[in-house]
Amino acid sequence: KNEVEQSPQNLTAQEGEFITINCSYSVGISALHWLQQHPGGGIVSLFMLSSGKKKHGRLIATINIQEKHSSLHITASHPRDSAVYICAVLLIQGAQKLVFGQGTRLTINP
Amino acid sequence: DTEVTQTPKHLVMGMTNKKSLKCEQHMGHRAMYWYKQKAKKPPELMFVYSYEKLSINESVPSRFSPECPNSSLLNLHLHALQPEDSALYLCASSRIWTGREAFFGQGTRLTVV
Repeated sequence: KNEVEQSPQNLTAQEGEFITINCSYSVGISALHWLQQHPGGGIVSLFMLSSGKKKHGRLIATINIQEKHSSLHITASHPRDSAVYICAVLLIQGAQKLVFGQGTRLTINP
Repeated sequence: DTEVTQTPKHLVMGMTNKKSLKCEQHMGHRAMYWYKQKAKKPPELMFVYSYEKLSINESVPSRFSPECPNSSLLNLHLHALQPEDSALYLCASSRIWTGREAFFGQGTRLTVV
């Protein structure tokens, strides 16, 4: 079993829909990243969370430390949101090591 | 400046070639990382440098040789690679302390022929 599990693996939705991507982890963490990767490779850090909730534009990320679960929400989704979204946790033990989920491939159709 | 710059963006090399990948950041980050990413897979950690010293080597073959000449630069020297080493190589940086946000470069897409 992977230390970081994301669901769903693939998600296709229509423009304007509310999107939720989930991440569960089984290890002690000091922080959790939500990352976005477009075709062509570059990774952009969307959020880093250690507790609570963060909002940036149409993106909202929440984390529940007790339940070891985080969600990424996209409101009013747009075709340009189509990308792979990756959850990555920074382990509480061991120096500076990010453990990645398998990613969620999101496609937003116009 | 919140950028991590990687060069080149694309690289094609033969199995007998020697090449280097470069990564640069000017955010004052003292932790820098190399990741390897195969198609449709998450990134896999290769190396971590902390204060310009190698702190993590994830059992990477010696044909990959990292170097951190100063606090802004990270190199990955490549020699005698195999076709299965073809992948996207990503560099990242962060502040040293636990829980610091990581910033990623755009990656170098490497093809070994």
